[in-house]
Amino acid sequence: EPEVTQTPSHQVTQMGQEVILRCVPISNHLYFYWYRQILGQKVEFLVSFYNNEISEKSEIFDDQFSVERPDGSNFTLKIRSTKLEDSAMYFCASSTGTANTEAFFGQGTRLTVV
Amino acid sequence: QKEVEQDPGPLSVPEGAIVSLNCTYSNSAFQYFMWYRQYSRKGPELLMYTYSSGNKEDGRFTAQVDKSSKYISLFIRDSQPSDSATYLCAMKRSGGSYIPTFGRGTSLIVHP
Repeated sequence: EPEVTQTPSHQVTQMGQEVILRCVPISNHLYFYWYRQILGQKVEFLVSFYNNEISEKSEIFDDQFSVERPDGSNFTLKIRSTKLEDSAMYFCASSTGTANTEAFFGQGTRLTVV
Repeated sequence: QKEVEQDPGPLSVPEGAIVSLNCTYSNSAFQYFMWYRQYSRKGPELLMYTYSSGNKEDGRFTAQVDKSSKYISLFIRDSQPSDSATYLCAMKRSGGSYIPTFGRGTSLIVHP
């Protein structure tokens, strides 16, 4: 069964460092998403990506964040200068469409900023 | 008022019980309603997807949407210890942003 894969599963970084979280969406999907979930809190939308550009982003997705699809398979989230409050689970998701289609989530990357 | 409200629990039930999980919402533009199951330290997994009001059944799971009351439910029959997880409701609008809004999740514990 096709699945969304994310690497690494756990990333520890020092405050102020840059991190890149990687995702391989399901191959025939066209829409890609990043979400985050701070421990004990709800899943929060960060950004959606379609046709090689950002289609929507939330208030959380400020200038320290960027996304890229560097090749035909990977979808990355870069956090330029990490802060302690960036510590969370980051989930990548992908879907074939928008309104009446489901998004499939990866297993997540646990980011710990120390 | 939050857009989507969900009691975080935990909800603890014995094996075999019927479980009822609920969410309320405030935005009448929501038309698509989803239930996700999330095991500890894993990604959300879609369980049920419904459009507008009504019921949808899939095995032991039944999703119910009452748009007039802005209330959705997920029922789990003959609950199993393997059902122990956090259940997230999520909702999407029919126009404008298609990004789902998630509830906080309800932690369910089914004990043998």
